[in-house]
Amino acid sequence: DMKVTQMPRYLIKRMGENVLLECGQDMSHETMYWYRQDPGLGLQLIYISYDVDSNSEGDIPKGYRVSRKKREHFSLILDSAKTNQTSVYFCASSLYEGRTEVFFGKGTRLTVV
Amino acid sequence: AQSVTQPDARVTVSEGASLQLRCKYSYSGTPYLFWYVQYPRQGLQLLLKYYSGDPVVQGVNGFEAEFSKSNSSFHLRKASVHWSDSAVYFCALSESGSFNKLTFGAGTRLAVCP
Repeated sequence: DMKVTQMPRYLIKRMGENVLLECGQDMSHETMYWYRQDPGLGLQLIYISYDVDSNSEGDIPKGYRVSRKKREHFSLILDSAKTNQTSVYFCASSLYEGRTEVFFGKGTRLTVV
Repeated sequence: AQSVTQPDARVTVSEGASLQLRCKYSYSGTPYLFWYVQYPRQGLQLLLKYYSGDPVVQGVNGFEAEFSKSNSSFHLRKASVHWSDSAVYFCALSESGSFNKLTFGAGTRLAVCP
């Protein structure tokens, strides 16, 4: 069963705490993505990873960093979380960065208080 | 920079009625266009995509969309909606040469009433 798995699904953190969002995929996809979804804005690309240790900034990378040490695993890290980082975060993957379908996880709802 | 506009934040239709969800894009080149659907507490699922060729593309569950370069539009249609079609629908665009860097619209929430 092809899927993108995100953990945790819900997370509440205090402002200034570090946050780790994890994503895994079982399809041996080369390319993985992190998006955030905010009301009225759709999804915005934070980072894209083309393979292990080959990461590139998306449209809104400020305040975030990523780590990809294994092809099937892609992490999003918020160092010292801010309240304006409260959002729903989606991880996605595709076979490669080309005309291939992008598969999305179910999302992680992060609340920073 | 490219952008996608979905002018209707919320659409309500009766079950069995026809549906059109609007999508307008802004991009100087030839775009690749997508419609995704998001059911409650789920990730996004691809409904259909347009790369080139026939401007009318068919998707899953009876959905289709029509690309119009002159109108910069990619409207989604369905002849007869079912209550299970209630969801949020996103139109998205990617640039040629950067296929999977998607730019999304804000989404349209569809409610199908019995």
